[in-house]
Amino acid sequence: EVQLVESGGGLVQPGGSLRLSCAASGFTFNSYWMHWVRQAPGKGLVWVSRINGDGSSSTYAEFVKGRFTISRDNAKNTLYLQMNSLRAEDTAVYYCIRDPDSYGYSVLDYWGQGTLVTVSS
Amino acid sequence: DIQMTQSPSSLSAFVGDRVIITCRASQSIRNYLNWYQQKPGKAPKVLIYAASSLQSGVPSRFSGSGSGTEFTLTISSLQPEDLATYYCQQSYKTPYTFGQGTKVEIK
Repeated sequence: EVQLVESGGGLVQPGGSLRLSCAASGFTFNSYWMHWVRQAPGKGLVWVSRINGDGSSSTYAEFVKGRFTISRDNAKNTLYLQMNSLRAEDTAVYYCIRDPDSYGYSVLDYWGQGTLVTVSS
Repeated sequence: DIQMTQSPSSLSAFVGDRVIITCRASQSIRNYLNWYQQKPGKAPKVLIYAASSLQSGVPSRFSGSGSGTEFTLTISSLQPEDLATYYCQQSYKTPYTFGQGTKVEIK
């Protein structure tokens, strides 16, 4: 059974940092692209970042470039999101998602339960 | 960035009704369009990928169509468990943008 379990969320002050983790199981982790998508309270889904299977290629939404870093440890089957210089508008539930990227086609086929990040003084 | 616009933003229908949700892209995205369902308090799950392919395990009352810039998600016979918000998402190019969502309620 595919499982994605996020952790690391919490309350942080503006300007602070947080590192999210996502523990993956039930599939061959290094064969999949992985994404982070966030959802502010009561709002819609917003794509944040993605990384390929071996960690050599990553892409970011413009609003997190230079502040967030996606990475993965395939030996530990874990995805990370390092978030620096956090702002109030980064407050959201952050979802870790698997993407088989079959034949170059991306689909977000399994989602974690999400972890809430609250940026507030 | 590619803008995705859904309509309507919300709808209310009876059990058994046919429901159609539309998604429009600001430029051609060929068939790089996915649909997700998010039930209250839960993570989203994929229903349709590549515009018209039904994800494994998803009931056949859900279907998708379209290509280029115009897409539709159809629920052929609305069920009480379909109470949810539905999102389209383009995977043609990053950033992978979502529509604003369509909230489906049961009358």
